[in-house]
Amino acid sequence: QSALTQPASVSGSPGQSITISCTGTSSDVGRYNYVSWCQQHPGKAPKLIIYDVSKRPSGVSNRFSGSKSGNTASLTISGLQADDEADYYCISHTSSGTSVFGGGTQVAVL
Amino acid sequence: EVQLVESGGGLVQPGGSLRLSCAASGFTLSSYWMHWVRQAPGQGLVWVSRISSDRDGSNTIYADSVKGRFTISRDNAKNTLYLQMSSLRAEDTAVYYCESDVGWGQGTLVTVSS
Repeated sequence: QSALTQPASVSGSPGQSITISCTGTSSDVGRYNYVSWCQQHPGKAPKLIIYDVSKRPSGVSNRFSGSKSGNTASLTISGLQADDEADYYCISHTSSGTSVFGGGTQVAVL
Repeated sequence: EVQLVESGGGLVQPGGSLRLSCAASGFTLSSYWMHWVRQAPGQGLVWVSRISSDRDGSNTIYADSVKGRFTISRDNAKNTLYLQMSSLRAEDTAVYYCESDVGWGQGTLVTVSS
């Protein structure tokens, strides 16, 4: 199972909105609404921010939103803040029953 | 408060075994699909294994890299997830996390080295 494709890095200024893409295939992202996103600050454990494509766990800011179109899922961060600077990973269920991660996207707040 | 707490990591020689635990609180672990994920030093996240919820049959599945060496299981009475790892290799060195749709644990470090 090949990893999902994410851009290596995305940057934005405080207050701006950025979108991170996560491209898979018709066997994973395109087939199921089981795409999650997690945020990882350096040296810290990942934190779940989106599950089931667009659902937010309790306590996660509504500045984070998820969507999907075809084989590509997207995470949008609106009102970018300094603390949003982190690595972001997408994860999808696959037709073989496994899960697969994206390679991760480093978000920089300029 | 929902919490996942991993334990059991440590230094082990190549070929050795280790059992990781993931204690859940604030929710019923058996109601969720639970995953083990690992992260080698300086690398990205890699999916390792999954056990489905009781309702979905408690089915298990593994990444090819650990198939036949790792076993995922769950003790519903203890609300705890396990990962039994055997025939460990240097490339299994990583921080291991348990995770589900309710969140992630803080991780436990496994180092395989002589």
